Amino acid sequence: DTGVSQDPRHKITKRGQNVTFRCDPISEHNRLYWYRQTLGQGPEFLTYFQNEAQLEKSRLLSDRFSAERPKGSFSTLEIQRTEQGDSAMYLCASSLLAAPPSGNTIYFGEGSWLTVV
Amino acid sequence: AQKITQTQPGMFVQEKEAVTLDCTYDTSDPSYGLFWYKQPSSGEMIFLIYQGSYDQQNATEGRYSLNFQKARKSANLVISASQLGDSAMYFCAMRETTGNQFYFGTGTSLTVIP
Repeated sequence: DTGVSQDPRHKITKRGQNVTFRCDPISEHNRLYWYRQTLGQGPEFLTYFQNEAQLEKSRLLSDRFSAERPKGSFSTLEIQRTEQGDSAMYLCASSLLAAPPSGNTIYFGEGSWLTVV
Repeated sequence: AQKITQTQPGMFVQEKEAVTLDCTYDTSDPSYGLFWYKQPSSGEMIFLIYQGSYDQQNATEGRYSLNFQKARKSANLVISASQLGDSAMYFCAMRETTGNQFYFGTGTSLTVIP
């Protein structure tokens, strides 16, 4: 399988605990995105990397959220001191920095569902 | 203001019929891209079709076509010959050339009736 993969697919955690999600992008893709999606809504942008550099962060990304992409390959998204409002699906996507049209499309993983109880 | 508006929360279509899912967008950027994604109940967002703002012709990908009306700022998805497997959420999205993020609408839930 050469698509975007995310792990774990499902996570149930108690409020106040820390959780970490991992994303492995499509191998040649140098751009990586994290999105959050709640029920009945479309995905909302959280942050974006180009290679290992985190170039943009949404104001949705509070201080409890941190994302890394240390070697420009896989990425992790950590949520500290989880709250019930963090319950959502966390989607990772990747794309190739290239000329249109191939460089314009982002490809998503299957998402990581987080439930905070 | 919303960047992407999808006004149809839910749609029904008879199997083998065509269906149009509406999408309007808002941008002042002269260069942008418009996308449609399908999200089945499993959660994965599946890329369907792309239209660039400067493309002269409407994009087509198999049974999917994008009815692009630039002056109206609309980018409706047309699915021809609907199949039961087309039942899913459909999201319209836009990426402006000046930015790096994609803006998504709230989605349309499509149900194909046998």
